[in-house]
Amino acid sequence: ETGVTQSPTHLIKTRGQQVTLRCSSQSGHNTVSWYQQALGQGPQFIFQYYREEENGRGNFPPRFSGLQFPNYSSELNVNALELDDSALYLCASGGQGTDTQYFGPGTRLTVL
Amino acid sequence: AQRVTQPEKLLSVFKGAPVELKCNYSYSGSPELFWYVQYSRQRLQLLLRHISRESIKGFTADLNKGETSFHLKKPFAQEEDSAMYYCALRSLSGNTGKLIFGQGTTLQVKP
Repeated sequence: ETGVTQSPTHLIKTRGQQVTLRCSSQSGHNTVSWYQQALGQGPQFIFQYYREEENGRGNFPPRFSGLQFPNYSSELNVNALELDDSALYLCASGGQGTDTQYFGPGTRLTVL
Repeated sequence: AQRVTQPEKLLSVFKGAPVELKCNYSYSGSPELFWYVQYSRQRLQLLLRHISRESIKGFTADLNKGETSFHLKKPFAQEEDSAMYYCALRSLSGNTGKLIFGQGTTLQVKP
């Protein structure tokens, strides 16, 4: 059984650009959640996908969007990057609802 | 409002001393509470959840609904317990599994 993986590990972008982050869920998991973790803060929920549909969203603007694919891998897209988007982005996979969520190692995004 | 508060950013203790990491929550409904841990250079991982009522690595946590607290305790700290600890809350009534995290507490266990 493989764990949750994320790519890339690090990324540097400039303000106004767009970015795509990727996540491969743990085998057998059909739910993926994305979190943003700013420096010195706890992770903040962005959204969750279940069976390729958005299944809940946190307090993030529409320029944060996502996709979940039939193999349950996922993408997080952020348009019109702002300096405050600099953070660690975490992906977590699990079964539906109350199942335990397993986190990936994260992608460190720096916006200059 | 749903909120998790961890009042201490840093807790420093000596090896063998008792540890209590504080967590208070605000939630109207039936919450599920968790403790996650992140060791140096490792990913965030589940330590324990209140519905399991387990002791993991010597740590326990009891949900106190009257005080809206879920403090993490260990009677004798070990150096390998040094890590960042996050308390998190999830709604039991929803379907999203959305976790609400506190800001985290760094536990430093000195030799």
